[in-house]
Amino acid sequence: GIQVEQSPPDLILQEGANSTLRCNFSDSVNNLQWFHQNPWGQLINLFYIPSGTKQNGRLSATTVATERYSLLYISSSQTTDSGVYFCAAPRGGYGNKLVFGAGTILRVKS
Amino acid sequence: SAVISQKPSRDICQRGTSLTIQCQVDSQVTMMFWYRQQPGQSLTLIATANQGSEATYESGFVIDKFPISRPNLTFSTLTVSNMSPEDSSIYLCSVLGLAGGHEQFFGPGTRLTVL
Repeated sequence: GIQVEQSPPDLILQEGANSTLRCNFSDSVNNLQWFHQNPWGQLINLFYIPSGTKQNGRLSATTVATERYSLLYISSSQTTDSGVYFCAAPRGGYGNKLVFGAGTILRVKS
Repeated sequence: SAVISQKPSRDICQRGTSLTIQCQVDSQVTMMFWYRQQPGQSLTLIATANQGSEATYESGFVIDKFPISRPNLTFSTLTVSNMSPEDSSIYLCSVLGLAGGHEQFFGPGTRLTVL
């Protein structure tokens, strides 16, 4: 099945700094999602982005499907951005059974 | 946007007992799933909850341990049976098909501790 790898595994930022999180996947995909898990465990949808670029406020994401990676950009980070960021892709590259990466733990310090 | 709720939000249980977790969506969805997140780990798919038929389990998960029901398009339950401390995890339901979209959305999770 598909392998989903995220980097870096953890990241510490000063408030106001920018960061880039990476997600590599081993197969072609028709679905790629980014999530933020807050300290209370809630999984929040950030982007559904099988290809192309999307922006939502301080966050943006780019997926280069032909090269099998996706990037999540966080600009002007805030302490509320802390938590774990997951990317997920479908098993076998297609369908709805998501395989999650190991996550990136982000800590934003004030 | 649709609301996905889970009950209970957390529980502490004794080994050997069972717990049933409920997932309710306030609009009809095409698919519902159950995931497990063990402490400090990522999410792993347990099964697809099929409406009106037996759930489809992933490798490593069996119906006797994790019986699942889905009586209609907005509700599903997951039972964790004969629990052991290794079952301590967050259990999350997810749904697909809100407003006809392809994104999965997750419930708030049930944090289970087994003593």
